[in-house]
Amino acid sequence: GAGVSQSPSNKVTEKGKDVELRCDPISGHTALYWYRQRLGQGLEFLIYFQGNSAPDKSGLPSDRFSAERTGESVSTLTIQRTQQEDSAVYLCASSLSTSAPQETQYFGPGTRLLVL
Amino acid sequence: KQEVTQIPAALSVPEGENLVLNCSFTDSAIYNLQWFRQDPGKGLTSLLLIQSSQREQTSGRLNASLDKSSGRSTLYIAASQPGDSATYLCAVRSEKLVFGKGMKLTVNP
Repeated sequence: GAGVSQSPSNKVTEKGKDVELRCDPISGHTALYWYRQRLGQGLEFLIYFQGNSAPDKSGLPSDRFSAERTGESVSTLTIQRTQQEDSAVYLCASSLSTSAPQETQYFGPGTRLLVL
Repeated sequence: KQEVTQIPAALSVPEGENLVLNCSFTDSAIYNLQWFRQDPGKGLTSLLLIQSSQREQTSGRLNASLDKSSGRSTLYIAASQPGDSATYLCAVRSEKLVFGKGMKLTVNP
C-alpha cells in the first residue's frame, strides 16, 4: 500500500477484555514503531521493531501490553485485561531503518481505543 | 531525559496572518527535529525535517528553523489559511522520537 495502515480505526471495549491492534507498515520499511496518545497529552513511545526484533520495550506501560511483528511486516499490539486508563489513540509508524535516525517516520491514522 | 515543550497550547488567528510556532527541547544532542501536522481523526503528517547539521528547511509557505545550541525551533507559517487549522507537533530524535504536546491552531476565515 501507499502508506501505513492500522485496524480497527475505532475500538470500544469493556474493562477487563483483551484487545488486538494491527499495523501494516509501508512495504520495505524494516523499522516499526508504536506510540500512544492520550487525550490532551503528547505522543508516548511504546516500542519499536527492527525487523522482527524489539530491542527497546521500555515504553510499554505494564506487562499487560505486548507486541509482536512477523515477516518484517505486520505488527500486532495486544492489551490484556484492559483498563479505562488504556483509552487513547494508538499510532503506528514505520521507517526504512532505525540505524539511520535521520530518516522520517511515516505514521498511520491510528486506532482510537475506548475502554468503558 | 529529553523533554519537548510547545507554547502556547492553542492559538486562534484570522486568516492571512503570518504565524510563529515555538518548540523548545532540553537536550541538544539530537539527530534531527521534525514538525508534524495532525488533523482530527487522522494520523500525523510530516511537514519538515531538519537535520542537526542544518539551520532551516522550507516547504511552500512553511519555514522551520533550528538552533540546536539553545534548544529551540520555530515553525513559520506565512499567509495563514483556514486549511492550516490543525494541531502542530514538534518532535526531536535522539535515541527515540520525543514529542511535544502540540499546539492547536485555528485559522478563522
